Amino acid sequence: EDQVTQSPEALRLQEGESSSLNCSYTVSGLRGLFWYRQDPGKGPEFLFTLYSAGEEKEKERLKATLTKKESFLHITAPKPEDSATYLCAVPPAGTALIFGKGTTLSVSS
Amino acid sequence: DSGVTQTPKHLITATGQRVTLRCSPRSGDLSVYWYQQSLDQGLQFLIQYYNGEERAKGNILERFSAQQFPDLHSELNLSSLELGDSALYFCASSVGDPYGYTFGSGTRLTVV
Repeated sequence: EDQVTQSPEALRLQEGESSSLNCSYTVSGLRGLFWYRQDPGKGPEFLFTLYSAGEEKEKERLKATLTKKESFLHITAPKPEDSATYLCAVPPAGTALIFGKGTTLSVSS
Repeated sequence: DSGVTQTPKHLITATGQRVTLRCSPRSGDLSVYWYQQSLDQGLQFLIQYYNGEERAKGNILERFSAQQFPDLHSELNLSSLELGDSALYFCASSVGDPYGYTFGSGTRLTVV
């Protein structure tokens, strides 16, 4: 069964304290792994797409990496405005993106 | 503004009623997806349309239906509403699979 699991469910950091979020997946024939950011009461906002193991993408304080079984979202020196829920998703063949339940990140100053 | 427009933003209705949620995709996008988000279930895929045709179905209840019109806007119809249908309903659009989706800001449905 195609599945996406994210950990931890919640993460509290101090401003400047770097950490990583994990997304593990089981899907036959990976056709991309997607990271989104979601603020409370709003729609998910696209961050990155990774297509092959070893690929990395960066945006400001965020860097996403991909292996054959999991992806990491590294957050370097986070700021309070990075507080949000981070979702990862994969597209199984023949259907739409399936999402993990997300990691809710809280960054305090 | 993501370019995907959803109306209404909020909807409060009684059990047993029927409602229609509307979505206008981003210009140029042919695919429309509907998702339901509740606190305990996360984002659940309901249904996808591509250029007017149903392309994929997820965990959509028989009480729910959708369609995509020639101008590519889409409507999600929810009938015989139950308290458990209270959730955020998101529409997303894309140029096609497997490209990333652009989400709207959602419709918050409350069934009382």
